[in-house]
Amino acid sequence: AQRVTQPEKLLSVFKGAPVELKCNYSYSGSPELFWYVQYSRQRLQLLLRHISRESIKGFTADLNKGETSFHLKKPFAQEEDSAMYYCALKVSGTYKYIFGTGTRLKVLA
Amino acid sequence: EPEVTQTPSHQVTQMGQEVILRCVPISNHLYFYWYRQILGQKVEFLVSFYNNEISEKSEIFDDQFSVERPDGSNFTLKIRSTKLEDSAMYFCASCPRASYNEQFFGPGTRLTVL
Repeated sequence: AQRVTQPEKLLSVFKGAPVELKCNYSYSGSPELFWYVQYSRQRLQLLLRHISRESIKGFTADLNKGETSFHLKKPFAQEEDSAMYYCALKVSGTYKYIFGTGTRLKVLA
Repeated sequence: EPEVTQTPSHQVTQMGQEVILRCVPISNHLYFYWYRQILGQKVEFLVSFYNNEISEKSEIFDDQFSVERPDGSNFTLKIRSTKLEDSAMYFCASCPRASYNEQFFGPGTRLTVL
């Protein structure tokens, strides 16, 4: 079955501390994975995608096929990073995206 | 910068009533989607739409749901006879082409069924 799991509903860290938001997936094909972010009272927006291997706002995510993971990391959290983060999987050959349940990141001053 | 818009922002309806949720995708986009998010749960795919027809739908998208692109700009989701469990945030999204791999989301419509 196709599934995206984000085990943490809430993650609180202090400003300047490293952050890791966990995402695991279950998918038999070659996965296309994304991180979306939703800041308070704003819409869902793409943060990064694994095929681009980019760093956005200091965040990176590496696809680990062996561990079926796509964890989101940032070495030094900022207060403005506080938001809901969703990991998503695009089912190849379809137009369908599967989202995880999301993790709320709170960065404390 | 162009954005996906949705109306209304909040819709309250009685169980059994029909509702139509409206979306205006970004103008040069060709692929359109509806998602829903029940409070406290994950964002769930409902349906994708391309070239004036449904290209993919989930098991949630049963006969009570329908989508339409009645003109060149609007993309609507109709729920024929609402149930209490249809209460959720409904998000519309669009993207320029299937290979683009980024969906642009609207702000959502909160549907409350009483």
